[in-house]
Amino acid sequence: AQSVAQPEDQVNVAEGNPLTVKCTYSVSGNPYLFWYVQYPNRGLQFLLKYITGDNLVKGSYGFEAEFNKSQTSFHLKKPSALVSDSALYFCAVREGRSNTGKLIFGQGTTLQVKP
Amino acid sequence: DGGITQSPKYLFRKEGQNVTLSCEQNLNHDAMYWYRQDPGQGLRLIYYSQIVNDFQKGDIAEGYSVSREKKESFPLTVTSAQKNPTAFYLCASSISGLIKATNEKLFFGSGTQLSVL
Repeated sequence: AQSVAQPEDQVNVAEGNPLTVKCTYSVSGNPYLFWYVQYPNRGLQFLLKYITGDNLVKGSYGFEAEFNKSQTSFHLKKPSALVSDSALYFCAVREGRSNTGKLIFGQGTTLQVKP
Repeated sequence: DGGITQSPKYLFRKEGQNVTLSCEQNLNHDAMYWYRQDPGQGLRLIYYSQIVNDFQKGDIAEGYSVSREKKESFPLTVTSAQKNPTAFYLCASSISGLIKATNEKLFFGSGTQLSVL
């Protein structure tokens, strides 16, 4: 069965510092991995995805994520955090052999960036 | 958000009542999904539909029902059998739900907050 784990409920970082939001996954085939962001009382917005190829994926708003197959991880990163990055972040996975488009989501990590 | 409209934004349900959440998309997407969001639990899949007139149960379908009579519409009914309906409900769509589309992203609506009176 597919699953996603986000081990941190909340990540706190000072503005201008680098940030990392962690994600590990479990699938039986090749993984398709996604990061979404959610602002209060809103839907989810797509940030980036990994399908194949370069392990470092660049996405929206200066975010990037690194795929590590041996550690089954897909951590979200940004070199310099902004206060406006404060939001709820979700990692999601779809098994490569799946014949549906459905995604399995992690429980979410709240990112708090302080001035 | 992204051509998906959910209504109402807030909904209140009385005990024993069925309520229906609306989801409409103008993206010409084949696949549509309903997720439930509870604090600290992330998103859990309720139902999904890969094509018109077809839908499948997700991980937590009990107490819910859906229909997909039109490509652009995928309403969710929360029945009286759902004993803990208070949650934030998110509708999403993707271009295709079939195997060729496994690298496609989901587009989300802005959600409906359902509460019990």
